[in-house]
Amino acid sequence: DIVMTQSPDSLAVSLGERATINCRSSQSILYRSNNKNYLAWYQQKPGQPPKLLISWASSRKSGVPDRFSGSGSGTDFTLTISSLQAEDVAVYYCQQYYTTLPYSFGQGTKLEIK
Amino acid sequence: EVQLVQSGAEVKKPGESLKISCKGSGYSFTTYWIAWVRQMPGKGLEWMGIIYPGDSDTRYSPSFQGQVTISADKSISTAYLQWNRLEASDTAMYYCARVDPDYYFDSWGQGTLVTVSS
Repeated sequence: DIVMTQSPDSLAVSLGERATINCRSSQSILYRSNNKNYLAWYQQKPGQPPKLLISWASSRKSGVPDRFSGSGSGTDFTLTISSLQAEDVAVYYCQQYYTTLPYSFGQGTKLEIK
Repeated sequence: EVQLVQSGAEVKKPGESLKISCKGSGYSFTTYWIAWVRQMPGKGLEWMGIIYPGDSDTRYSPSFQGQVTISADKSISTAYLQWNRLEASDTAMYYCARVDPDYYFDSWGQGTLVTVSS
């Protein structure tokens, strides 16, 4: 099974500053035949279900603000919020879908305002 | 608009049975997998299993195999998650999610809170 590990577990960033969340997979989730990384990022605000932000490691879902960006390849990935807004307070999860049996999520990173 | 609407919160006693539901609308329900995800209080997301409503092909996480049953009724665009004998450790929020053909979870239900307590 592929294990996803996020760092840090929690993060406090000032409004307007950059927030960076890391995600590492226990094996490569880059599929060589199509050169795609099978990595998604989800945002879960308090009391709400998760929401897809990014798929394929860097492809923002329509409607997601462009201050959110994803990067990385192979086993190491990053979610960056370029200028933190109050509404970005949430727990963020990465998920690999390279092997779907089983799917696996990172443990989550709690993002707060400093 | 894609929508997944889940059934309401449940309070049950240990040993009781339960079936919760997830109704899809705004898309072709039979041509997308539906996933179930558990979130225990204050914890992260755990994938439980998936079902293809078109033919009821079902796959389970090894962690949940034999503990729950996933089913679907395509005639009413509804997927189900069922327990025969609940335990206190089943207390959690349960989400259904639509699985994009590329395998990530692109839409989520609002969640069903299941509380198991004597």
